[in-house]
Amino acid sequence: GDQVEQSPSALSLHEGTGSALRCNFTTTMRAVQWFRKNSRGSLINLFYLASGTKENGRLKSAFDSKERYSTLHIRDAQLEDSGTYFCAAGTGGYKVVFGSGTRLLVSP
Amino acid sequence: DAGVTQTPRHEVAEKGQTIILKCEPVSGHNDLFWYRQTKIQGLELLSYFRSKSLMEDGGAFKDRFKAEMLNSSFSTLKIQPTEPKDSAVYLCASRTDSSAETLYFGSGTRLTVL
Repeated sequence: GDQVEQSPSALSLHEGTGSALRCNFTTTMRAVQWFRKNSRGSLINLFYLASGTKENGRLKSAFDSKERYSTLHIRDAQLEDSGTYFCAAGTGGYKVVFGSGTRLLVSP
Repeated sequence: DAGVTQTPRHEVAEKGQTIILKCEPVSGHNDLFWYRQTKIQGLELLSYFRSKSLMEDGGAFKDRFKAEMLNSSFSTLKIQPTEPKDSAVYLCASRTDSSAETLYFGSGTRLTVL
């Protein structure tokens, strides 16, 4: 079935540095969404993309449907960025497939 | 095991009406979510319940949207009054608890407001 491979599963960053999370898809996805799990355990939407790139503050996301991947870039990481990040994608119907998550830890 | 069950599958309402969507989570799951899915915004969180307690009330959706969970196996989402911009697919999802990484989604209710 449709699968989403998210990497890395865990990431440690020092404050002020940056890195990228990636999701690879086994099939052509119509759109991708990136979430962050907040302190209450809710999945809060960060980005929704049908194509191209979007940027919000220190976060930037890109989606290439043809090449079957999406990325989430974090720059100038702050302590409050620590948490678990998920990508989710769909083929256009109701089904949404989630990645396994990336646990990000930002340290001083 | 039964997955997440949502009813009805389709709902058509006139502007100004009250509609109630229903969800039965996976048996034994403590966390329940309501999301709205559109082609423009993707999945937007409406409500989040943990052990029947409301943890997130969806911020911008507080005005006309009200989710309730009277028991651990049943939740409702009331939209009152409906507006045409509410037309979307409404998804219910559940998971065992907040430490779980996997969300189980229902098939959704497609709402059309005329």
